[in-house]
Amino acid sequence: QSALTQPASVSGSPGQSVTISCTGTSSDVGGFSYVSWFQHHPGKAPKLMIYDVSKRPSGVSNRFSGSKSGNTASLTISGLQAEDEADYSCSSFTSSSTWVFGGGTKLTVL
Amino acid sequence: QVQLVESGGGVVQPGGSLRLSCAASGFTFSSYAMHWVRQAPGKGLEWVAFIRSDGSDKHYADSVKGRFTISRDNSKNTLDLQMNSLRAEDQAVYHCAKLGSPGITAAGGFDYWGQGTLVTVAS
Repeated sequence: QSALTQPASVSGSPGQSVTISCTGTSSDVGGFSYVSWFQHHPGKAPKLMIYDVSKRPSGVSNRFSGSKSGNTASLTISGLQAEDEADYSCSSFTSSSTWVFGGGTKLTVL
Repeated sequence: QVQLVESGGGVVQPGGSLRLSCAASGFTFSSYAMHWVRQAPGKGLEWVAFIRSDGSDKHYADSVKGRFTISRDNSKNTLDLQMNSLRAEDQAVYHCAKLGSPGITAAGGFDYWGQGTLVTVAS
């Protein structure tokens, strides 16, 4: 159950787009369409931003989008806004019928 | 609206036990699988345990297997996590989370989370 690999940090200026990657294996990210992305702030409950690779829950801005290629999933945030500054984590279902998270990525809006 | 409220956290000595609870409301609890997820200070999220909607299937992270037990009471809309043989590395905020899709599936993501309850393991 190794954690999925995410960059520790990414940054972008307001209005730009940023992409956060989430790399796993064929036993998790590559093998299933059950990748999710969460936004979280210290002391608060995580918020689901993307589920099942590319689906967006109601109420989540369409500036957030998800995709997957092979063993790597990606979260893209377009039209970056100051309020997007947060930690982002990915998760995936695995072939062991367990779930695994990434280590988290801190997004800084410059 | 969906609400998940955890309780039971506190300070416990290494080797001790603690039982966490999660009170659910605002949805048909018995239709959804539930999870426990934790976050240690300064660390990322870590998945801990899963229980199917009817309680018939349970899975655990290797780090807690044999020490933690997940259970649920669909008549009371509660989810529990019994934690035994606690270690320093178990110190974390523990969140309960609801799976987004009903039934026997892994789909839907963790669509609702509780605020979490803090477990401190210290002598």
